[in-house]
Amino acid sequence: KNQVEQSPQSLIILEGKNCTLQCNYTVSPFSNLRWYKQDTGRGPVSLTIMTFSENTKSNGRYTATLDADTKQSSLHITASQLSDSASYICVVSAKTYKLSFGAGTTVTVRA
Amino acid sequence: GAGVSQSPSNKVTEKGKDVELRCDPISGHTALYWYRQSLGQGLEFLIYFQGNSAPDKSGLPSDRFSAERTGGSVSTLTIQRTQQEDSAVYLCASSLKAAARENTEAFFGQGTRLTVV
Repeated sequence: KNQVEQSPQSLIILEGKNCTLQCNYTVSPFSNLRWYKQDTGRGPVSLTIMTFSENTKSNGRYTATLDADTKQSSLHITASQLSDSASYICVVSAKTYKLSFGAGTTVTVRA
Repeated sequence: GAGVSQSPSNKVTEKGKDVELRCDPISGHTALYWYRQSLGQGLEFLIYFQGNSAPDKSGLPSDRFSAERTGGSVSTLTIQRTQQEDSAVYLCASSLKAAARENTEAFFGQGTRLTVV
C-alpha cells in the first residue's frame, strides 16, 4: 500500500523563525511530489511540485527538497509570518492519476 | 469560473437522509477528483472522472455513495441513507489532465463540511 508519512504532527514557532517539515513516502513508481498549504476551512493550495529529477524548488519563503533515493522530502519555511499558520500536506503520486496524501503538519506561528 | 466551486459549504443532515454535494470545476478541466477529509486524517481518495466517465470508483466507501458528472463539467456526489461516520469534509479538485501522471496542477475547492446528526 502506498503511504505518505509526515512529521511532526504539529509544531509551534515564533514569528520570524524558520522551521522544517518532513515527509517520507513509499509510493512507487514515483512520479512527483507536491506540498500543499491548507488554511482552516479552505481547500489545499499548491506550494511546490517536484519530479524525480528535481532536488529543490522554492516558492517565496517556502523551499522544498526531494531525495528520491531515500524517498524523503522536506519543506523549509523561512522567516515565518503569522499567515503561515496552516496545515502543510505532502502529496505523492505514482505514475497513475491517484494522489496519495499525508496527514499533514499543523504549523502555528505566534507573535 | 475562476476556481473550483463547491456547494453547499456546510450541510447538517439527519441520519438516514440522502445528501447531494456539488462541484463546479474550472472551465476546461477534464479531470475531476473527489476526496474525503476526516478530522486529523489525510485526504482519502473517493473517485476520479476523466470527462464524464469514472475509470476508478474504488475509493467509494460503500454502495451508499455514488457520483456522476455531466457535460464534462459539474459533478455531484450523492450519499444515501447517511450515517454518522459519513461526517467529514468532502473536497473536489480539478485539473487540465490527470494531475498525478501528467504533473499538472490540481486545484481544490473549499470543500463541503458534512455533519450527520
